Amino acid sequence: GNSVTQMEGPVTLSEEAFLTINCTYTATGYPSLFWYVQYPGEGLQLLLKATKADDKGSNKGFEATYRKETTSFHLEKGSVQVSDSAVYFCALMTTDSWGKLQFGAGTQVVVTP
Amino acid sequence: DVKVTQSSRYLVKRTGEKVFLECVQDMDHENMFWYRQDPGLGLRLIYFSYDVKMKEKGDIPEGYSVSREKKERFSLILESASTNQTSMYLCASSPGTRVGQPQHFGDGTRLSIL
Repeated sequence: GNSVTQMEGPVTLSEEAFLTINCTYTATGYPSLFWYVQYPGEGLQLLLKATKADDKGSNKGFEATYRKETTSFHLEKGSVQVSDSAVYFCALMTTDSWGKLQFGAGTQVVVTP
Repeated sequence: DVKVTQSSRYLVKRTGEKVFLECVQDMDHENMFWYRQDPGLGLRLIYFSYDVKMKEKGDIPEGYSVSREKKERFSLILESASTNQTSMYLCASSPGTRVGQPQHFGDGTRLSIL
């Protein structure tokens, strides 16, 4: 079946540090890949997505590249801010999933001043 | 922007009560979803619906039912609430089943069953 594996958190960083959150997946066919962010006390917000191999999704300084050869979709940001403290979820959707998402477990990121 | 509105941010109910969680979306989306989120367990799909009056079980449907009488509204029902249903409940919608169309989430309802 389909699955998404994320690095475990919490990840603690200082402001302006470089952030990487690893995400690898197992899926049939050609999935679409997503990163969602959940700020404290809120629902999930779509951060970025990629729908085919070698696509790069980007938003708010975050980037992730769909790597089919390594089945990965790692999230990166060059300089984090305290306001980036949140839980980040990697997710995939396949052509036969009827729009359902398969989520990773989530990675908590804590950015300190 | 897509707006998914959940009727309550916080709710406290008693064991054995019938509980209704309401979700409304304003973008004419075909699909709607209910998840629960628990520490260490991530998001788990309870039910989803891809059309009015249609519903499909997700991964953990036991103890829950749903209703979708109108396209914009998807209700989650706890038939007889129990303490193990204390959780954060998240509603989401998406345009359709075509791959690549993201889900849009509400702010969640934190439900406590006493």
